Amino acid sequence: QVQLVESGGGVVQPGRSLRLSCAASGFTFSVYGMHWVRQAPGKGLEWVAFISYDGSNKYYADSVKGRFTISRDNSKNTLYLQMNSLRAEDTAMYYCAEGCETCHSDYWGQGTLVTVSS
Amino acid sequence: DIQMTQSPSSLSASVGDRVTITCRASQRISSYLNWYQQKPGKAPKLLIYAASSLQSGVPSRFSGSGSGTDFTLTISNLQPEDFATYYCQQSYTTPITFGQGTRLEIK
Repeated sequence: QVQLVESGGGVVQPGRSLRLSCAASGFTFSVYGMHWVRQAPGKGLEWVAFISYDGSNKYYADSVKGRFTISRDNSKNTLYLQMNSLRAEDTAMYYCAEGCETCHSDYWGQGTLVTVSS
Repeated sequence: DIQMTQSPSSLSASVGDRVTITCRASQRISSYLNWYQQKPGKAPKLLIYAASSLQSGVPSRFSGSGSGTDFTLTISNLQPEDFATYYCQQSYTTPITFGQGTRLEIK
C-alpha cells in the first residue's frame, strides 16, 4: 500500500535551517510529482511547493520563495524540503502529498511538526 | 493568485441531514477543483476531484458539482463520521490555493 512518511521536524530558532524528508513506498515514486503542504496550528491548509516527477520543474508559494528548496532523490524514493531563514510564521505541520502540477492529491503523509521559536 | 472562498465557515447539522458547502474561485478554473475532508490530528483525505468525480472508497453520499468559478460539495444523509473540516482546492495553476475551510459540527 502507498505510504508517505515525513521526518525531520522539530524545534528550531528563528533564522536557522531545517531539512524535511518524505520517504515514499508502495508506488512508483519516480513517475509522480510531489507537493509539500503545511498547516499552522488551528489554521487552514497552505500549499508550499511542488516538484515534477523528474525534478525539472519546481514551484513555490511566495511566502517561502527564496528560503525553501524542494528536491527529490528518485533512487532513494525520497522527497525533501530544505528550509532556510526560518521564521515564526513557518511554524506548522508539514505534509508531503503526491500529485501532478494540476492534479488532486490522493495520498498524504501523516505530517511532521516544525516549530520555530527562540 | 487565485483566491478560493468557502461558505459557510462553520455549519451545525444533525445526523441524517443534507448539507451543502460552496466554494467560489476568483477566476475561472474549469473543473480543476478538489474537495478534502480533514479530521483533528489527521492528514487531509481526498473526497472529490475534478469538481464532481468521487474518489475511490468514498461513500456515495458525498457529491460535487460546478465548473468555472462556482462549486458545491453536498453531503446527503449525514453520518457521525462526517463531522470534520472540509477544504476546497484549486489545482488549475500554481500557486495552488485552498479555501479557508468549513467546519461541520454536530447540532
